Amino acid sequence: DVKVTQSSRYLVKRTGEKVFLECVQDMDHENMFWYRQDPGLGLRLIYFSYDVKMKEKGDIPEGYSVSREKKERFSLILESASTNQTSMYLCASRSTGDYGYTFGSGTRLTVV
Amino acid sequence: EDQVTQSPEALRLQEGESSSLNCSYTVSGLRGLFWYRQDPGKGPEFLFTLYSAGEEKEKERLKATLTKKESFLHITAPKPEDSATYLCAVTRLGQNFVFGPGTRLSVLP
Repeated sequence: DVKVTQSSRYLVKRTGEKVFLECVQDMDHENMFWYRQDPGLGLRLIYFSYDVKMKEKGDIPEGYSVSREKKERFSLILESASTNQTSMYLCASRSTGDYGYTFGSGTRLTVV
Repeated sequence: EDQVTQSPEALRLQEGESSSLNCSYTVSGLRGLFWYRQDPGKGPEFLFTLYSAGEEKEKERLKATLTKKESFLHITAPKPEDSATYLCAVTRLGQNFVFGPGTRLSVLP
């Protein structure tokens, strides 16, 4: 069964901490994505990547960065966590072409 | 600008009471419309892809249909385990998905 695995289901971090969210997929997909999901705002794209070492800004990249050193792994980095980054973070991947996303289970991040 | 809206925002049904969820979209050159199911605290799970007007897909109690302006997700004789948020998304060539806000479905026993 194909999978997108996010390393943590729940995280609690302090304001100002550097936070790493990890995502690994086993489907050899070229494309990987990071979204955040908030009540009333839906899914918003933070960053995406079409290839190794390649990254593109999504709709809300401020306060975030990403890293993709290997095809299967896409990391989201909060350089200095703030309370307004408390959210559900979802990683997704898909193959090039008209295919749907496969999502991970999500990481619920709370910044206190 | 590509847009996706979903209605209703929330829907409560009695077990066995059939209904439909709507996804309306404005996009030039639609390449695909996708339906996902999301349970609380989990990531969205893929249900269907529809590519052209008139296409229909079925899975158990769910049936998705597509026109040039909207898609419907029909739920026949729902059960409590069908309770979830249902998301639709559209894509066109070379573009990332645009997601709708979702419909939160509750099926009461």
